[in-house]
Amino acid sequence: QVQLQESGPGLVKPSETLSLTCTVSGGSISGNYWSWIRQPPGKGLEWIGYIYYTGNTNYNPSLKSRLTLSLDTSKNQFSLKLNSVTAADTAVYYCTRTTNFDFPDWGQGTLVTVSS
Amino acid sequence: QSALTQPASVSGSPGQSITITCAGTSSDVGGYDYVSWYQQHPGKAPKLLIYYVSSRSSGISHRFSGSKSGSTASLTISELQAEDEADYYCSSHTFNTLVIFGGGTKLTVL
Repeated sequence: QVQLQESGPGLVKPSETLSLTCTVSGGSISGNYWSWIRQPPGKGLEWIGYIYYTGNTNYNPSLKSRLTLSLDTSKNQFSLKLNSVTAADTAVYYCTRTTNFDFPDWGQGTLVTVSS
Repeated sequence: QSALTQPASVSGSPGQSITITCAGTSSDVGGYDYVSWYQQHPGKAPKLLIYYVSSRSSGISHRFSGSKSGSTASLTISELQAEDEADYYCSSHTFNTLVIFGGGTKLTVL
């Protein structure tokens, strides 16, 4: 079982770019799919997108125009960039390992607030 | 695409069994067997309980079981315990995105 840890700013201004990194330990980023999932305060879960270790990506259509996922295999990390953020992007962001359309391993989550 | 439909809340007494439903369409739950269930305690990350409709994730108690009929999936928790009080989410693969989730169900153990 791998461990995942999100890192990044907890506060982002409206219209700016939200950037998060997930560090994977206890296993290799290679050979796996990796996803981001978010949860607005008091609300349900939303799948954001995944990246394969080869760099192939698949994004939620509702976020596709603003989203970029990338990875750095040398650092065992993958990252999320969401631009032009609004208050609606305020959420706890989780990084996860992804298998056949499910998520067996999760980071602890990091709260990102969009506010001026 | 709309979220899968779950009851907002369910409750049960210790030792009883409860069932949480997850209603979808032929484009998600009804079209694929990639239905999963997650448990989330307050302030914690979700935990995978069930995948592929009815397979238990590693280390998950036999008290948790999953099933599907048509476009509705179900999670049953038997021998209810106080520690089962949490939020529960279903998810399904869909035709146009990787996964959609249900709105979540709050389980109260009386």
